[in-house]
Amino acid sequence: EIVLTQSPATLSLSPGERATLSCRASQSVSSNLAWYQQKPGQAPRLIIYDASNRATGVPARFSGSGSGTDFTLTISSLEPEDSAVYYCQQRSTWWTFGQGTKVEIK
Amino acid sequence: EVQLVESGGGLVQPGGSLRLSCAASEFTFSSYGMNWVRQAPGKGLEWVSAISGGGGHTYYADSVKGRFTISRDNSKDTLYLQMSSLRAEDTAIYYCAKEGGHAKPFDSWGQGTLVTVSS
Repeated sequence: EIVLTQSPATLSLSPGERATLSCRASQSVSSNLAWYQQKPGQAPRLIIYDASNRATGVPARFSGSGSGTDFTLTISSLEPEDSAVYYCQQRSTWWTFGQGTKVEIK
Repeated sequence: EVQLVESGGGLVQPGGSLRLSCAASEFTFSSYGMNWVRQAPGKGLEWVSAISGGGGHTYYADSVKGRFTISRDNSKDTLYLQMSSLRAEDTAIYYCAKEGGHAKPFDSWGQGTLVTVSS
């Protein structure tokens, strides 16, 4: 089973700052990595698929990069509405999620 | 717009059973793999089970294998999760989620249904 490890656990930044979230896989997943955003009381929302493709309707300030075992989600200029928990996900034999990174807006 | 509406959650005693349903609309249901994902209170996401579009292939997390059964009725555009031998650690919000294509990430999610296992 491939394990995804996200860091940091929590990120506290001010509006307009750049957020960099990391996801590391225990073995290569090629580019088969997705990112989700989950706000309190809501279902997750797909924001990035295939490591670097934005899902429909996702603002351009969100970008993904990486391949193999190391991946990054970048939010170029934080907005108050970006406050959420972000999860990475991969599929090998089955799906697994990382444990999440909470982004707090100061 | 794709809609996924879960139902069937509730309070059940340890060792009991429950069947969840997910009614789908506004897409060709039989063309897409479907999944169940759960989230324990205050915790992260855990994938539970998947089923192929035709229903012929099913997959389970080790934590539920042998206790949960995923199925679908493509004539009714409905996904199911039959849960038995329930444990306290199965307490969670259960979401159904649609794959974006074959083995593609989940591009649509339901609002979730809460399952509480407690005596």
